[in-house]
Amino acid sequence: EAGVAQSPRYKIIEKRQSVAFWCNPISGHATLYWYQQILGQGPKLLIQFQNNGVVDDSQLPKDRFSAERLKGVDSTLKIQPAKLEDSAVYLCASSLDFLREQFFGPGTRLTVL
Amino acid sequence: GENVEQHPSTLSVQEGDSAVIKCTYSDSASNYFPWYKQELGKGPQLIIDIRSNVGEKKDQRIAVTLNKTAKHFSLHITETQPEDSAVYFCAASAAGANSKLTFGKGITLSVRP
Repeated sequence: EAGVAQSPRYKIIEKRQSVAFWCNPISGHATLYWYQQILGQGPKLLIQFQNNGVVDDSQLPKDRFSAERLKGVDSTLKIQPAKLEDSAVYLCASSLDFLREQFFGPGTRLTVL
Repeated sequence: GENVEQHPSTLSVQEGDSAVIKCTYSDSASNYFPWYKQELGKGPQLIIDIRSNVGEKKDQRIAVTLNKTAKHFSLHITETQPEDSAVYFCAASAAGANSKLTFGKGITLSVRP
């Protein structure tokens, strides 16, 4: 079974630029999550989708972050404009349904200069 | 909201010894407690989980115990091996579609050969 795929793996941008991350969840998984993991901390949920609907985006900085999950499969997370404090690893995870085991992708390491 | 704390932040053990990692949580409504292992450059991987209707769960060299009264749960690894060296995260969530996993800050376990 293929795992959660993410791209790119690494991204370096300057502040005020925009960036987008892509996630392809495990086939058949209805729930998709985006997490932000700052160095030395645990993952923090940014947004959770159930199929193509948003379940929880309470911790998403909506003035600069946006996410979508078209057709209930792939998802993209965008930051515009980026700030220095956005430097982190952005993890995508998926699960068969909410409250089931979450499978994480390898993450995208973002550095904002 | 939920607050999860891990103690200690680093742990070093000799190969073959046991390791115990402790976590506390604040929300009495939490009823699902997973443990994740994260190796360098990879996403977190679920290693064991426990629900609040169970006090202990074991899977080969790994076990988790839960004390609902004290609001703490622990990961026990016996006969540690160098490949157990990684960052370990505990997490907690309550039931319900809108519940999210809240992660601790992680503990770096080093197993000395």
